[in-house]
Amino acid sequence: EVQLVETGGGLIQPGGSLRLSCAASGFTVSSNYMSWVRQAPGKGLEWVAVIYSGGSTYHADSVKGRFTISRDISKNTVNLQMNRLRAEDTAVYYCARDTYEGRLDPWGQGTLVTVSS
Amino acid sequence: QSALTQPASVSGSPGQSITVSCTGTSSDVGGYNYVSWYQQHPGKVPKLMIYDVSNRPSGVSNRFSGSKSGNTASLTISGLQAEDEADYYCSSYTTSSTHVVFGGGTKLTVL
Repeated sequence: EVQLVETGGGLIQPGGSLRLSCAASGFTVSSNYMSWVRQAPGKGLEWVAVIYSGGSTYHADSVKGRFTISRDISKNTVNLQMNRLRAEDTAVYYCARDTYEGRLDPWGQGTLVTVSS
Repeated sequence: QSALTQPASVSGSPGQSITVSCTGTSSDVGGYNYVSWYQQHPGKVPKLMIYDVSNRPSGVSNRFSGSKSGNTASLTISGLQAEDEADYYCSSYTTSSTHVVFGGGTKLTVL
């Protein structure tokens, strides 16, 4: 069964750092595109970052320079390093298997990140 | 402000059909047949309902269909059921460096 499980969310003060991890089962992360998408409380979906099967990465302008997507082939995980966190980064963060065409399926259950003092 | 424009809400009675629009530009919706639609029930994970404009993943009801004309994509749900009440998001491949852009979401109410 294809499954994604995110971990690493929690409460963090503004300016702090957090690292999210997404463990995949049933498929190989390095053979696929993988994305992070977030959803602020009561708001819509916002694409955050993608890592291509070839290793190239792209980030949304709202997080560029602060967030970094990466993968660990040995653990079959995708990670999101989040630095200089702001209150507006508060959201549920989902990882999802992606494709060149931007098809996101499946999605993980999400992990909540709360940035507050 | 979302990159793709969707109506905030739509509604319909059981058995009726509704259509949700998703308007972008020639850099995304209009330029490629790579539009997806997601269904999200409250507190739940988004679920892929349509991909590549009009294709349904295995297991998705054929009451859901997608189409595109110019810079606007549409999701049609026929034979509305109470369980269809949810938020619906469109997304599209984009030539910008962001890879994927989402619409702001549409809340479907089944009357």
